[in-house]
Amino acid sequence: DGGITQSPKYLFRKEGQNVTLSCEQNLNHDAMYWYRQDPGQGLRLIYYSQIVNDFQKGDIAEGYSVSREKKESFPLTVTSAQKNPTAFYLCASSTRDRGRIDTQYFGPGTRLTVL
Amino acid sequence: QKEVEQDPGPLSVPEGAIVSLNCTYSNSAFQYFMWYRQYSRKGPELLMYTYSSGNKEDGRFTAQVDKSSKYISLFIRDSQPSDSATYLCAMKLGGANSKLTFGKGITLSVRP
Repeated sequence: DGGITQSPKYLFRKEGQNVTLSCEQNLNHDAMYWYRQDPGQGLRLIYYSQIVNDFQKGDIAEGYSVSREKKESFPLTVTSAQKNPTAFYLCASSTRDRGRIDTQYFGPGTRLTVL
Repeated sequence: QKEVEQDPGPLSVPEGAIVSLNCTYSNSAFQYFMWYRQYSRKGPELLMYTYSSGNKEDGRFTAQVDKSSKYISLFIRDSQPSDSATYLCAMKLGGANSKLTFGKGITLSVRP
């Protein structure tokens, strides 16, 4: 089965703790992304990586960190510096579709709750 | 003004109705336009994409783009209860930058 997996599905964190969300893809996609989704806010880009060992900040990178050591993996760490981390986190990956567009495919998401 | 504005909803229609979902955008450099469907507590799935003005049809779904007015629409014919979901429009600049800019999404409920 090809696709994007995210784990865990639900995650609870105490204030002051760092947590790492996993994202793995076996689609051989070059680019990977992390989004945050809050009610009524749509999807906001946290970080993205277009190639291994390289990544760029998105629109709301403060309080988050990422690494891209392998093509298939793009873990996101939510640090204690993120003031309001409770949200639904979505990972996506993309490849060029017939050379015209980088179609993004999403994983099932991780719901993070800070207690 | 936000780059992408989407009708806020929610929207409730009877089964069989024609549904029109709309987004406007301010950046004329957007070249690629997508609609994603997201069921509750799931990741979004790509429904349709287009890169030119005009209509693109796929079964009961039609995506319409009007670049001169900076306006895109998704039409759903013969709507079904299984169409009940949140619909997100997304747009992308041309070139190598692969970032998408999303609308906030609209929640559609189709009543049996």
